[in-house]
Amino acid sequence: EAQVTQNPRYLITVTGKKLTVTCSQNMNHEYMSWYRQDPGLGLRQIYYSMNVEVTDKGDVPEGYKVSRKEKRNFPLILESPSPNQTSLYFCASSLPGGSSYNEQFFGPGTRLTVL
Amino acid sequence: DQQVKQNSPSLSVQEGRISILNCDYTNSMFDYFLWYKKYPAEGPTFLISISSIKDKNEDGRFTVFLNKSAKHLSLHIVPSQPGDSAVYFCAASALAPWFAGNNRKLIWGLGTSLAVNP
Repeated sequence: EAQVTQNPRYLITVTGKKLTVTCSQNMNHEYMSWYRQDPGLGLRQIYYSMNVEVTDKGDVPEGYKVSRKEKRNFPLILESPSPNQTSLYFCASSLPGGSSYNEQFFGPGTRLTVL
Repeated sequence: DQQVKQNSPSLSVQEGRISILNCDYTNSMFDYFLWYKKYPAEGPTFLISISSIKDKNEDGRFTVFLNKSAKHLSLHIVPSQPGDSAVYFCAASALAPWFAGNNRKLIWGLGTSLAVNP
């Protein structure tokens, strides 16, 4: 089954404790992206990756890191989480180029609470 | 400044009737538009899209209409079913150059929560 998986689905942590949210897709997609969803602000892109070892900042990259060492995986790293990073996070992937790029497949989401 | 606006945060419709969800955009360079549906505790899923060279695209009960002169698109669901109850996001896409290196970006609306009542 074609899918994007994220782990963990729920996480409560404390300020400053480094954490990683994993994202994996089995569709051989080149493009992967991380979003956060907040009330009244919609979906905002954090980072994206056009392919292995190619990453770039989205709209709200501060406080986050990513890596793309393998095509299927795109982990999101919070080196020193703060309460303003409490949010619902989505990973997405798609093929590049033309209209197919824009049809992104999303993971189920990770709800993060930073105390 | 929101480039993609969904002015109705919520909509309630009777089962069997038509649901019309609206989306307005400001950037005339957008050339591709998509609708996603999101259920609670799940990620958004792609529903239907339309290229700017078309004014209508239909897929079963779902039809998207694009009015480029008005910078407006709408999603029609006919007939509406209780399983259609979800949040619907409108998104718009354009190629560079003004996205400054991020030339494959989606701009999202805030979503409209649709409730279809039995």
